[in-house]
Amino acid sequence: DSGVTQTPKHLITATGQRVTLRCSPRSGDLSVYWYQQSLDQGLQFLIQYYNGEERAKGNILERFSAQQFPDLHSELNLSSLELGDSALYFCASSVATGANEKLFFGSGTQLSVL
Amino acid sequence: GNSVTQMEGPVTLSEEAFLTINCTYTATGYPSLFWYVQYPGEGLQLLLKATKADDKGSNKGFEATYRKETTSFHLEKGSVQVSDSAVYFCALRGTTSGTYKYIFGTGTRLKVLA
Repeated sequence: DSGVTQTPKHLITATGQRVTLRCSPRSGDLSVYWYQQSLDQGLQFLIQYYNGEERAKGNILERFSAQQFPDLHSELNLSSLELGDSALYFCASSVATGANEKLFFGSGTQLSVL
Repeated sequence: GNSVTQMEGPVTLSEEAFLTINCTYTATGYPSLFWYVQYPGEGLQLLLKATKADDKGSNKGFEATYRKETTSFHLEKGSVQVSDSAVYFCALRGTTSGTYKYIFGTGTRLKVLA
């Protein structure tokens, strides 16, 4: 158990809908990363938050947004869903941002858009 | 920008066979290099890392050497077990401002047969 909790584990929805994925980082970890894993694209970095502030942005679509709350949990919002958004979404957390930073991954949320 | 290229899978081996999974990278400066492993139904876990040229990371019988001259970080294991069946991801993290986010390869699926 990595200590990172993601809910829900599975989500099935329809095109055009909006969903929210939730991540609780390990206790004390200030940094939260979101990744999308699909069969053809591998693991794609979406966005990183550090202590409530956006730190880095990757290949995140405009239809997607994220935030990190004062208690450090994070939510990833996906809207106007398309079939191609079906993927496994991972959250990872870390305590530091220096050279010794180590990521701890949650077990992911499997999103199926029908 | 920084990037990671790893060999495509799946790789299928018999138990006790020798494993090599190739990984090369493109980066400015001297990134830190990582191998992560993803077991079925789980999130990624750090397997090993190396933070400077000629460093060798090792864990659970796996090894990888940071080769600056060939920009490579190949994963090796002398004798694989069925329990090593998983997806392996090579990753780098830059160490200069603006390059701190992790970049992952597309993953290589390993299947070990008894």
